[in-house]
Amino acid sequence: SQELEQSPQSLIVQEGKNLTINCTSSKTLYGLYWYKQKYGEGLIFLMMLQKGGEEKSHEKITAKLDEKKQQSSLHITASQPSHAGIYLCGAADRGSTLGRLYFGRGTQLTVWP
Amino acid sequence: DGGITQSPKYLFRKEGQNVTLSCEQNLNHDAMYWYRQDPGQGLRLIYYSQIVNDFQKGDIAEGYSVSREKKESFPLTVTSAQKNPTAFYLCASSTPRGSRPNEQFFGPGTRLTVL
Repeated sequence: SQELEQSPQSLIVQEGKNLTINCTSSKTLYGLYWYKQKYGEGLIFLMMLQKGGEEKSHEKITAKLDEKKQQSSLHITASQPSHAGIYLCGAADRGSTLGRLYFGRGTQLTVWP
Repeated sequence: DGGITQSPKYLFRKEGQNVTLSCEQNLNHDAMYWYRQDPGQGLRLIYYSQIVNDFQKGDIAEGYSVSREKKESFPLTVTSAQKNPTAFYLCASSTPRGSRPNEQFFGPGTRLTVL
């Protein structure tokens, strides 16, 4: 099975600062998904990466999948209080049942004004 | 608008009682999933179903049961055999087709508390 390690476990930053969250896999990644969750709510899809070296951006959030496809990073530029929440990475395993994702434990982000 | 609904949002149960959590989707997705989320543990897969009338155990299926009689519905029953059922439960669905294949769409969740 796929194992995903997220770091850091929690992050507290001042508004306006940049930050990076990492997601490292025990195996080659075939489809890496980033989600955001507010406490007590469902997960909201952010971005999906499939190819080594791929990079995608949405507003101030950029996600990358490294060339060897075993690590992804999520970078937030000029953080705002609206970025606060739990960020989770999820990955498909080539050998797993189609559609099944394995998730990391999440990174709790707090942004203070 | 298409999406996934879960009900109820909050559920309280006495020890020894079974309780059923509802999950409905109108996205025409074939696959549906149930996850349990505990603080600091991320999402753990309970059961999943890729097609009507078929489902498989996930990583923590003990004490839970599901059914998939309709494509749109995937209810989860938390039985009295589940030793520590207090948690946040999330339902999701996906399809291998489309521009983001296998992206999982999540419902708003049900928080279950055992008294």
